[in-house]
Amino acid sequence: AQSVSQHNHHVILSEAASLELGCNYSYGGTVNLFWYVQYPGQHLQLLLKYFSGDPLVKGIKGFEAEFIKSKFSFNLRKPSVQWSDTAEYFCAVKKTGANNLFFGTGTRLTVIP
Amino acid sequence: EAQVTQNPRYLITVTGKKLTVTCSQNMNHEYMSWYRQDPGLGLRQIYYSMNVEVTDKGDVPEGYKVSRKEKRNFPLILESPSPNQTSLYFCASSLFGGTGRFPGTDTQYFGPGTRLTVL
Repeated sequence: AQSVSQHNHHVILSEAASLELGCNYSYGGTVNLFWYVQYPGQHLQLLLKYFSGDPLVKGIKGFEAEFIKSKFSFNLRKPSVQWSDTAEYFCAVKKTGANNLFFGTGTRLTVIP
Repeated sequence: EAQVTQNPRYLITVTGKKLTVTCSQNMNHEYMSWYRQDPGLGLRQIYYSMNVEVTDKGDVPEGYKVSRKEKRNFPLILESPSPNQTSLYFCASSLFGGTGRFPGTDTQYFGPGTRLTVL
């Protein structure tokens, strides 16, 4: 079955710590990859996306993600988190040419000032 | 301002009372979709629409209906709501759906969400 796994359910960090959130998927073939963020009480916003080309993708607010095809992974990173990064982060995967976007279960990030 | 809007934002209803949640986008997007978000389950797709009069089931379509009579609107209909449909619902749209020929055109933009409680 197709699936998207986010193994970290809740991550707690102090400000200025480095962040890495894992995302693995189980589809074969070409995929499009996304990270969305949901701040408390708000709707999902696109952080970054990968379609093709350079596997290291830079997004908004200093986030980046690296697509490692051999590992079926698309981990999200930020070198130094801020309190304002407290939010829930969702990884999403879509087979190229398909219609369905599959989401992981989300990782809640809490940044302590 | 380019956006996806949903109404109502909050709704409390009782079992069996038909309801409709509206979704509208002003970006001339062809593709629209409905998701529900539940704790520990992430977002799951309910229905999607590739264009006017073209709709299809997502992963969890049971108990829901949709229609796409106009390009900008994609209402979600619960004919007979039940408590297990209590959830947070998101509408999303993208320029196109599915095509890999135009990278980025299938990036989905989300509405603000509708929190539904069925008693």
